Parts: sequence; structure tokens; C-alpha cells
Amino acid sequence: TQLLEQSPQFLSIQEGENLTVYCNSSSVFSSLQWYRQEPGEGPVLLVTVVTGGEVKKLKRLTFQFGDARKDSSLHITAAQPGDTGLYLCAGASGSARQLTFGSGTQLTVLP
Amino acid sequence: KAGVTQTPRYLIKTRGQQVTLSCSPISGHRSVSWYQQTPGQGLQFLFEYFSETQRNKGNFPGRFSGRQFSNSRSEMNVSTLELGDSALYLCASSLGHSGGSDEQFFGPGTRLTVL
Repeated sequence: TQLLEQSPQFLSIQEGENLTVYCNSSSVFSSLQWYRQEPGEGPVLLVTVVTGGEVKKLKRLTFQFGDARKDSSLHITAAQPGDTGLYLCAGASGSARQLTFGSGTQLTVLP
Repeated sequence: KAGVTQTPRYLIKTRGQQVTLSCSPISGHRSVSWYQQTPGQGLQFLFEYFSETQRNKGNFPGRFSGRQFSNSRSEMNVSTLELGDSALYLCASSLGHSGGSDEQFFGPGTRLTVL
């Protein structure tokens, strides 16, 4: 059974601070996706990383896929209250389309 | 392009009843996957349908079933409902091609409450 450990589980920070969320596994994934989910809604895809060592930047968000494709991180610079939400990492293996999700990181950015 | 739609958005049932949830994928997407989200277990994969065939299945009892129609729309059925089936049921659609870059896009979910 593939598991994705996500940390921290909860994070409460002040507006303007930086933060990093980690997603780790003992399994290799062919790709890893990051989602953000708001209460009562479905997860919204932020990014997909496919290549080991890949780094993608979306405005203030930086995503990294580990060289061995077993781990990933999400770094947010100068967090804003609008960044508040549940951040989920999800890994896909081989040709399987089923995603294995991490337990999520609940981020709260205080104004 | 319209996103993934799910109906109904909210549903209240009692133990022992059955329920059918519906999902319309993004136009052009042929794969539909279903997930269950609960506070304790997080997001768990139920099954995936592609071209009207179940292609992958998670570790859920046989009370959970689904199907896909020729227009790629999918339905999920849960029979003999239990209190523990209360959850947010999410549908995700994708193009369905093999490989890790097949991105899944989620609908808003159906919130099922079993009393």
C-alpha cells in the first residue's frame, strides 16, 4: 500500500510570512499533483510535477519534486489570507490513474 | 469550458437506504474517478471508469458500485447505507491516457449525510 505523509498537518501564520509544506513517501510516483481545497468544495489542481528534480513556480508558490520522485514540497512566499485552505498532495503510479492522497495541510493565514 | 458537475450537492438519507450520485465530466474527458473524503480517512479512491468500463477499483465493499454511460457521464451507487458512509463524495475527470501526467479535475462534491 502506497502512503503519502504530509506535514505539517496544521499551520497558522501571519500574513507576509513564508511557509513550506512537505509530502513524503517510501514509494516512487510517476507524477505528483498539488491541490487546494476550500470548505464544501472539491480540490482545485494547482500543479503537476512529473520529472525528478523538477521545480515549478506559480507566482508566489514554488513546487519541487524530489530527484527520486518520492517526495515533494510546496513553498509559499509572503503568504496572504487568500492562501488559506487545505493543501493536498496526490501521487500517481505507473499507468494507474488512481491518486494516493496525503492527509492534507490546513493552512490559515491571519491578516 | 464547463468544469466537472455533480448532482445533487447535498443529500440526507437514513441507514439501510440506497443512494445514487451523478457526475458529468469536462467535455472531451473520458475517464471518471470517484473518491470518498472523510475527516478521519482523508481522500480515498473508490473506482475509475473509462469508456464505460471499470478500469481501477479501490478497497471499498461491494455496496459501492458505479457505472459510466456512452457520453462519459458517471453514476455512483451506495446500497444499504451505514452511518460511516457519511462523507463528501468527489468525482474527478481526466482525458484518461496512460502515464503520470493525466491530470484529474475535481467536481464540487456531493455531501452525503446518513442518519
